[in-house]
Amino acid sequence: GQNIDQPTEMTATEGAIVQINCTYQTSGFNGLFWYQQHAGEAPTFLSYNVLDGLEEKGRFSSFLSRSKGYSYLLLKELQMKDSASYLCAVRAAGNKLTFGGGTRVLVKP
Amino acid sequence: DSGVTQTPKHLITATGQRVTLRCSPRSGDLSVYWYQQSLDQGLQFLIQYYNGEERAKGNILERFSAQQFPDLHSELNLSSLELGDSALYFCASSVDTGGTSGVVDEQFFGPGTRLTVL
Repeated sequence: GQNIDQPTEMTATEGAIVQINCTYQTSGFNGLFWYQQHAGEAPTFLSYNVLDGLEEKGRFSSFLSRSKGYSYLLLKELQMKDSASYLCAVRAAGNKLTFGGGTRVLVKP
Repeated sequence: DSGVTQTPKHLITATGQRVTLRCSPRSGDLSVYWYQQSLDQGLQFLIQYYNGEERAKGNILERFSAQQFPDLHSELNLSSLELGDSALYFCASSVDTGGTSGVVDEQFFGPGTRLTVL
């Protein structure tokens, strides 16, 4: 089975940096995904890590440590539109994803 | 716009009824996935179809069933509906290279169907 943990909620100020942690336990690992989901809308793909290290994509970066079962998503230069839920998902065998409960990020002016 | 379409957008029905949700994947995608998202809960994987065949099953109730047709669109059937089935139902699609290591093959999500059971 798989178990994925991430904080329920985080608050940060516009222009600041926020780091969302995700820990996982899985039998078989074939990549970790981060998705963004605004309330009532579809999740949209942000990043993918399969090897250890940091992947940077503009204001968003994602890090993975497979030995520790740990990932984080870093959001820099926060904007009001970044207020959303951020979902960590692990891919095991095949292309099946298991999602964590999501972290709701509230950006304040 | 992800290229994945779902109909209807909203559905309101009564307990005990049966409904069908429809999904059309992105052009070229062979896999379709169904997820349920209840209020304040994460995405729960229900079932995956690949090129017409069931490929993976998650926490799908026996009252629920799905299929994928030759044109690759998929339908999720929910029967004997209960109040607790009220949720957002998402469909996603991907090319699906079989989870080849290093290949991103991300899932693209449709806008969802909001089901309300009264």
